[in-house]
Amino acid sequence: DTAVSQTPKYLVTQMGNDKSIKCEQNLGHDTMYWYKQDSKKFLKIMFSYNNKELIINETVPNRFSPKSPDKAHLNLHINSLELGDSAVYFCASSHPGQQETQYFGPGTRLLVL
Amino acid sequence: RKEVEQDPGPFNVPEGATVAFNCTYSNSASQSFFWYRQDCRKEPKLLMSVYSSGNEDGRFTAQLNRASQYISLLIRDSKLSDSATYLCVAYNFNKFYFGSGTKLNVKP
Repeated sequence: DTAVSQTPKYLVTQMGNDKSIKCEQNLGHDTMYWYKQDSKKFLKIMFSYNNKELIINETVPNRFSPKSPDKAHLNLHINSLELGDSAVYFCASSHPGQQETQYFGPGTRLLVL
Repeated sequence: RKEVEQDPGPFNVPEGATVAFNCTYSNSASQSFFWYRQDCRKEPKLLMSVYSSGNEDGRFTAQLNRASQYISLLIRDSKLSDSATYLCVAYNFNKFYFGSGTKLNVKP
C-alpha cells in the first residue's frame, strides 16, 4: 500500500505555463508538507498544512499556491513557471502526536524549459 | 547562514569500514534532531532520531552535543547497501531544517 503518493512523477513543461502537482496520504496524518529539493540537493520547506489549515508559509513566490481539500490531500499549483522552478518537489506527512516523524512521497521531478 | 550545515563529501570507504558524519545547527532553540537517508532519485527516509544521551540502532550510532550544537552519525562495518546521502535534520517549532546531505560511497 502506498503511504504518501504524488502525481505526476515527472513533469516537463515550458516557461510561463501553469501546472499542478497532487499529493495524497493514506496514513491518517493531520499534517502535510511541501518541500523543494534543488540541484544542490538542499531540501527546503515551502508549506505546511495541519487539518486543512495553512500553518507554515515560507518565503515562497505567490505563484505557488497550495490547496488542501481535505486532510488526506495537499496539492500544489504553480503559475507562470520559471526556469528556476526546476527541482524535485516532495510531499510529506506526519503523525498526530508525533509531529517529528515525517513520511515522504516519491517526489515530482519538474523541468521547466 | 544555513540552519543546518554538513560536509557534502563524498566519503568513499571500503566495505567493513567505520565512517562518521558530523553536522552543526545554528539555532540553539532547536528541539529535536534526526538523520534521514536518501538514495539516488528517491525520497528521504527516517534513519533515526538523535538524543542527547546518544542512541544506537544496530550498526548506527547517533549523538547530539547541545553545547556545541553538533550532531554525529557513526556507521560501523559499512555495507555496500549503506551507499546513500545522509541528511541531518533539526526540528524547531513545526519546521524541519534539512542539511544538504553527506554522500557515502561504500566500495567492495
